[in-house]
Amino acid sequence: GESVGLHLPTLSVQEGDNSIINCAYSNSASDYFIWYKQESGKGPQFIIDIRSNMDKRQGQRVTVLLNKTVKHLSLQIAATQPGDSAVYFCAENIESRDDKIIFGKGTRLHILP
Amino acid sequence: GAVVSQHPSWVICKSGTSVKIECRSLDFQATTMFWYRQFPKQSLMLMATSNEGSKATYEQGVEKDKFLINHASLTLSTLTVTSAHPEDSSFYICSARDRLSPSYEQYFGPGTRLTVT
Repeated sequence: GESVGLHLPTLSVQEGDNSIINCAYSNSASDYFIWYKQESGKGPQFIIDIRSNMDKRQGQRVTVLLNKTVKHLSLQIAATQPGDSAVYFCAENIESRDDKIIFGKGTRLHILP
Repeated sequence: GAVVSQHPSWVICKSGTSVKIECRSLDFQATTMFWYRQFPKQSLMLMATSNEGSKATYEQGVEKDKFLINHASLTLSTLTVTSAHPEDSSFYICSARDRLSPSYEQYFGPGTRLTVT
């Protein structure tokens, strides 16, 4: 069978509630961060990004918070809808070095009716 | 928004054969494209950076002779999995950045599901 480490953590949220997905990034030199949404069998879809000179950025129904001190990112989704069900990945990049985007582990968001 | 396509969307091949996957930027030019591999219930792992007109650069642990990358034009990169084995079965995803855009946003393809029997 599969080991525990291969399972994505799952966050279950009631429809209409707010969702908060957390991510710890690895490289203190990273200066650009992105959240992606991936539905089953599809490629990642850009949600929102933030640069290291900011600690908060808002989009439509989504907010990203960045805490560089503890290397932590969070994605807040307001009024979660069934269509928000997916796997969410945080990703990081060092803009001054190259265009490589390195993905974090991912969290599955499950919406309860 | 910018669109990246991949072909084929899925492929089944026999062990020992080679498979080519195409990644195209449809409405923009990309001097750099990236290839990722994703196993079930795992994250995307960067395999290599495809550079137009020059050799690809591979991430540590990725065999360059097994995963051949060719970036022959500003809109096309190909990944060839040579002598495929069942453990190469995976979801392969490419991404590209619009070289003329001030944004660093990268656009991802829909992925190619490879199954090696």
